Amino acid sequence: EAQVTQNPRYLITVTGKKLTVTCSQNMNHEYMSWYRQDPGLGLRQIYYSMNVEVTDKGDVPEGYKVSRKEKRNFPLILESPSPNQTSLYFCASRSTSGSPLFYEQYFGPGTRLTVT
Amino acid sequence: DQQVKQNSPSLSVQEGRISILNCDYTNSMFDYFLWYKKYPAEGPTFLISISSIKDKNEDGRFTVFLNKSAKHLSLHIVPSQPGDSAVYFCAAPSGAGSYQLTFGKGTKLSVIP
Repeated sequence: EAQVTQNPRYLITVTGKKLTVTCSQNMNHEYMSWYRQDPGLGLRQIYYSMNVEVTDKGDVPEGYKVSRKEKRNFPLILESPSPNQTSLYFCASRSTSGSPLFYEQYFGPGTRLTVT
Repeated sequence: DQQVKQNSPSLSVQEGRISILNCDYTNSMFDYFLWYKKYPAEGPTFLISISSIKDKNEDGRFTVFLNKSAKHLSLHIVPSQPGDSAVYFCAAPSGAGSYQLTFGKGTKLSVIP
């Protein structure tokens, strides 16, 4: 089954304690991305990756790091989490080959992070 | 500056009636639009899309209309069903190569049995 998986699904942590949220896709997609969803703000992109070892900032990258060492994995790293990073996080992927008009992204189930 | 706007945070509709969700955009370079549906505790899933070369795209109970001159699109659901209750996001490809998606803030649809 084609899917994007995220772990953990729920995480409560304390300010300053480094954490990593993993993301993996089994569709051989080149493009992967992280979003955060906050009430009244919709989905905002944090970082994205066009392919292995190619990453770039999205709209709200402050306080986050990413890496893309393998095509299927795109972990999100919070080196020193703060309460304003309490949010719902989604990983997504899509192919960059095929019809350029096919812009659908596939989303993971989400990770709800609480930083106290 | 918000380039994709969904000005109605919520909408309630009776089962069997039509649901109309609206979306406005400011960037005239946008040439493709997508609607995503999101249930609680799940990730967004793709629903329907439309290219700027069309003014209408239909898929079963879902129809999206695009008015390029007004920079406005709408999603019609007919007839509405309780299972349609979800948050609906309007999105447009953006950035270099158009691989990014710029989302609206979403509209929460509640279909009342």
